[in-house]
Amino acid sequence: QITLKESGPTVVKLTQTLTLTCTFSGFSLSTSGVGVGWIRQPPGKALEWLAIIYWDDDKRYSPSVESRLTITKDSSKDQVVLTMTNMDPVDTATYYCAYTRAAAPVRPFDPWGQGTLVTVSS
Amino acid sequence: EIVLTQSPGTLSLSPGERATLSCRASQRVNFSYLAWYQQKPGQAPRLLIYGASNRATGIPDRFSGSGSGTDFTLTINRLEPEDFAMYYCQQYGSSRTFGQGTKVEIK
Repeated sequence: QITLKESGPTVVKLTQTLTLTCTFSGFSLSTSGVGVGWIRQPPGKALEWLAIIYWDDDKRYSPSVESRLTITKDSSKDQVVLTMTNMDPVDTATYYCAYTRAAAPVRPFDPWGQGTLVTVSS
Repeated sequence: EIVLTQSPGTLSLSPGERATLSCRASQRVNFSYLAWYQQKPGQAPRLLIYGASNRATGIPDRFSGSGSGTDFTLTINRLEPEDFAMYYCQQYGSSRTFGQGTKVEIK
């Protein structure tokens, strides 16, 4: 059974850097085709894809926030870390991580973690 | 970047009715890599459909997906009370993008 769980601060201040960790089980990020993505959702708004990291360390970012994001993995700890710089109140959102596959077979995000709400204070 | 436009924004229906949700892409979605998710308040999204028309594990057969290219549809036959929720489409053929969502509400 694949499970993922997000962790990190619940409140960050304006201009600070946010660091979120996704701890997963039930799969290995060393397995060919596997990836972990980050998605966020501001209160009452739509889902927004942020970043993905794949088994081969290939990384993809959303163009809208690419300059502020870094995604890394620690396969030995079964963790993926997302950092977002220069936080602003508009970045207040629930942040989710999710399992995905880029090959054999290709799959969308499923399952997802429970999400973690991050509030940016000014 | 592929932009996904969902319509309508809100669908007001009664239990037992059929819901038809649309998702239109600004460019062709490679290999019909189009997914649909259901989200209820306070919960993470739940995968319903992948590959435009394949039901995910455990999804009732009243949910069906269709379409290809740039036009995709999610149909929910005989709405059950638990189906009233937000629905999002997402393409995963070229990077990843989500639509803005359709709310299915009780009329």
